[in-house]
Amino acid sequence: DQQVKQNSPSLSVQEGRISILNCDYTNSMFDYFLWYKKYPAEGPTFLISISSIKDKNEDGRFTVFLNKSAKHLSLHIVPSQPGDSAVYFCAATLFSSGSARQLTFGSGTQLTVLP
Amino acid sequence: EPEVTQTPSHQVTQMGQEVILRCVPISNHLYFYWYRQILGQKVEFLVSFYNNEISEKSEIFDDQFSVERPDGSNFTLKIRSTKLEDSAMYFCASSEGGLLAETQYFGPGTRLLVL
Repeated sequence: DQQVKQNSPSLSVQEGRISILNCDYTNSMFDYFLWYKKYPAEGPTFLISISSIKDKNEDGRFTVFLNKSAKHLSLHIVPSQPGDSAVYFCAATLFSSGSARQLTFGSGTQLTVLP
Repeated sequence: EPEVTQTPSHQVTQMGQEVILRCVPISNHLYFYWYRQILGQKVEFLVSFYNNEISEKSEIFDDQFSVERPDGSNFTLKIRSTKLEDSAMYFCASSEGGLLAETQYFGPGTRLLVL
């Protein structure tokens, strides 16, 4: 099942530069997308989300871009900091009001920010 | 900041034994979830729970699995007769009602090892 794909297992960037993490999806029914960060031995931590009615959402250093026609989203981190080093997961779901929906996760990208 | 908690953090059991994994969701949340991550694989959805009943379940969630909300704060996952392939990290998550139901907040996980 490859409905959500993160094709880069790892990414290294210099501190202060931009980190760009990419995610592709195949199920056109997905209409809500989330990014999570995960440190070893911890659970995923919610970072930022975007609805399919938008193409950009920004929260501090984190910006998520959604290209629905390409079924592609990306997470930009500017500027990158060493504390951002973690595994980043993209997840997708079907938007609904008032019901519990499963998240479908990508395989994750290990981001390493070098000092 | 409110957070999802899980106990135990680690559990080792013999094949065929029953295990109960416990979670305390964020107090005002209405939707509850279990996910698992087998070592080296994606985070996979198991089950969602709302209003004291299962909302959705995956193919993984067979008759060996059950969930329960025994009181106003705990949410449990029971595996009746564990198999070697049940060894994984199990994550509990919760979300608010209404339009915020899609943002799920995860606990730190329980690492289950079946011998």
